[in-house]
Amino acid sequence: DAKTTQPNSMESNEEEPVHLPCNHSTISGTDYIHWYRQLPSQGPEYVIHGLTSNVNNRMASLAIAEDRKSSTLILHRATLRDAAVYYCILRDSGANNLFFGTGTRLTVIP
Amino acid sequence: DTEVTQTPKHLVMGMTNKKSLKCEQHMGHRAMYWYKQKAKKPPELMFVYSYEKLSINESVPSRFSPECPNSSLLNLHLHALQPEDSALYLCASSPTNGPGELFFGEGSRLTVL
Repeated sequence: DAKTTQPNSMESNEEEPVHLPCNHSTISGTDYIHWYRQLPSQGPEYVIHGLTSNVNNRMASLAIAEDRKSSTLILHRATLRDAAVYYCILRDSGANNLFFGTGTRLTVIP
Repeated sequence: DTEVTQTPKHLVMGMTNKKSLKCEQHMGHRAMYWYKQKAKKPPELMFVYSYEKLSINESVPSRFSPECPNSSLLNLHLHALQPEDSALYLCASSPTNGPGELFFGEGSRLTVL
C-alpha cells in the first residue's frame, strides 16, 4: 500500500481555518485519498474522500493537487470539538482494507 | 441506524481465560473489520470479513480467533492472551469492498492480567 506522510502535530486557534497537509508521492491511479479522524476515547470517524477533484461535505473540504502527490484537508472554522488525530489514508478502489498511518494530532486553542 | 455497536466496552481477563468481543451492525454492510489499537498509536488492521468469509488475516496470532456468524455480527474470540495484547479493539463495517467509508464502533478496551 502506498504511504502517506503527515506532520506529527499542528495547532490552530478556535474559529480559524485549518489546513492539514498530506504527502503521497507514490500514489497510484486507482488510489482514493481518505481522511478519518479520531477524537479522544472514540473510534475513528470518516471525514471525506476523493480521487482527483476537490471535494466538499458538511465536515470539511479536500483539496487534491493536480499531480495527486499531495492533498490538504481543510476545516473551515475549527472548534474545540475538532481536536483529534487526523489520518490521511490511501485506499485502492478494489481493496477491502484500510491501513492507518501515524496521523496529525490537531490541537485547537480557545 | 448508522451505528456499529461493540460489547463489552471494557474487559479484564487473565492469561488462561477464554472471552469474546462482539460487534453488531444493522446497516446491511457486507464487509466487517477488526482493528487493534495500542495507546497513542494508529489502529492496526487484524482481520477483514467480506460476505461472511474471512478475506484478510494480517498475520494475527492464533490466540485471536474471528468469527462472522451472519452479515450483522462479528465476534473476536480470545484465548491464552498475553499482557501485551492489552489494547483497544475496534470493529468497523462498510457497505462492500472498494473506496467507500468505514463506520467504526467505539471499541472494546481489553486488559490482560
